[in-house]
Amino acid sequence: DGGITQSPKYLFRKEGQNVTLSCEQNLNHDAMYWYRQDPGQGLRLIYYSQIVNDFQKGDIAEGYSVSREKKESFPLTVTSAQKNPTAFYLCASSAAGSSRRETQYFGPGTRLLVL
Amino acid sequence: AQKVTQAQTEISVVEKEDVTLDCVYETRDTTYYLFWYKQPPSGELVFLIRRNSFDEQNEISGRYSWNFQKSTSSFNFTITASQVVDSAVYFCALKMDSSYKLIFGSGTRLLVRP
Repeated sequence: DGGITQSPKYLFRKEGQNVTLSCEQNLNHDAMYWYRQDPGQGLRLIYYSQIVNDFQKGDIAEGYSVSREKKESFPLTVTSAQKNPTAFYLCASSAAGSSRRETQYFGPGTRLLVL
Repeated sequence: AQKVTQAQTEISVVEKEDVTLDCVYETRDTTYYLFWYKQPPSGELVFLIRRNSFDEQNEISGRYSWNFQKSTSSFNFTITASQVVDSAVYFCALKMDSSYKLIFGSGTRLLVRP
């Protein structure tokens, strides 16, 4: 079954701690994205990657970091610099990294809570 | 500036009623794409439809239909004979051809009561 998986489903972060959210896809998609969703709001783009070993900041990249060492994986690290990390994080992918017209498909999400 | 407005925060209907979810967008780009996604209580965003700016044909898929009107910058979504399983948050989104990001509206929560 092709799809996007995200783990864990729930993640708890202590003050000053870095945490990493996993996103894996087996759709052979070139482009991958991270979005943040706050309660009652739409999604906002954190980072995106069109191709392996390349990524760009989205609208709210401060306090986050990513890597793209493999085509199928795009992990997101929430650093201690992110002062308000409590949110629902959604990973997405799309077929052709160089084409902006491709539809983005989403994973099941990770809910991050601060202890 | 690009923007998507979903003015209906929450809609409640009784099963089998028809319901229309409104979406109004703003962009100065001539080439853009519009989307509807469904977010059930589980949280995952499920892709429903995509429309290109140069294709104003309306579309029907089973109980779902979409009305795209460039003249009013609207892309409305109608569910006919609603069912309890249609209860979810529905997002309209806009993507310009010049950008990689989706611009989301704030969503409309639909509750279908038995």
